[in-house]
Amino acid sequence: QSALTQPASVSGSPGQSITISCTGTSSDVGGYSYVSWYQHHPGKAPKLVIYEVTNRPSGVSDRFSGSKSGNTASLAISGLQAEDEADYYCTSYTSSSTLVFGGGTKLTVL
Amino acid sequence: QVQLVQSGAEVKKPGASVKVSCKASGYTFTDYYIHWVRQAPGQGLEWMGWINPNSDDTNYAQKFQGRVTMSRDTSINTAYMELSRLESDDTAMYYCARDQWLDVWGQGTTVTVSS
Repeated sequence: QSALTQPASVSGSPGQSITISCTGTSSDVGGYSYVSWYQHHPGKAPKLVIYEVTNRPSGVSDRFSGSKSGNTASLAISGLQAEDEADYYCTSYTSSSTLVFGGGTKLTVL
Repeated sequence: QVQLVQSGAEVKKPGASVKVSCKASGYTFTDYYIHWVRQAPGQGLEWMGWINPNSDDTNYAQKFQGRVTMSRDTSINTAYMELSRLESDDTAMYYCARDQWLDVWGQGTTVTVSS
């Protein structure tokens, strides 16, 4: 199972919006509504920010939103804040009943 | 509150095995799968496999099949991940996480493989 494809890095200024893409295949992202996104600050455990493509867990800011079109899922963050600077990973359920991660995207808030 | 607490750091020699534990509290242990994820230094997150604590069913990433064993002890609400034939490339932070959404994570266990 190959890793999902994410851009290595994205950046934005405070207050701006950014989008991170996550591209897979019809055997994972395109075939199921089981895409999740995680925020990972160095030295801490990853944190779930989006599940089932579009859902936000309780306590996660509504500045985070998710979507999917075909084999590509996306995470959008609006109103960028310094605390949003982190690594972001997508995952998807697969046809083998496994999970697969994206390679990760480093978000820099300028 | 719902939490997963992992065992402490390990240092192993190449060829050895390591067994990491993950103790659940604050919810019904058998209601949610436990997944294992690792992150090597400077690398991304890598999914290793899951165990269904209710049925003891497991499913491992192809990369680790034959080398990883996931188990559980429902009497103490604890899941385990054992990795054998360790190599230097297995040096990583190992996490357990709950459910298909990985909604709750353990604090991580550092495993260092060095001669």
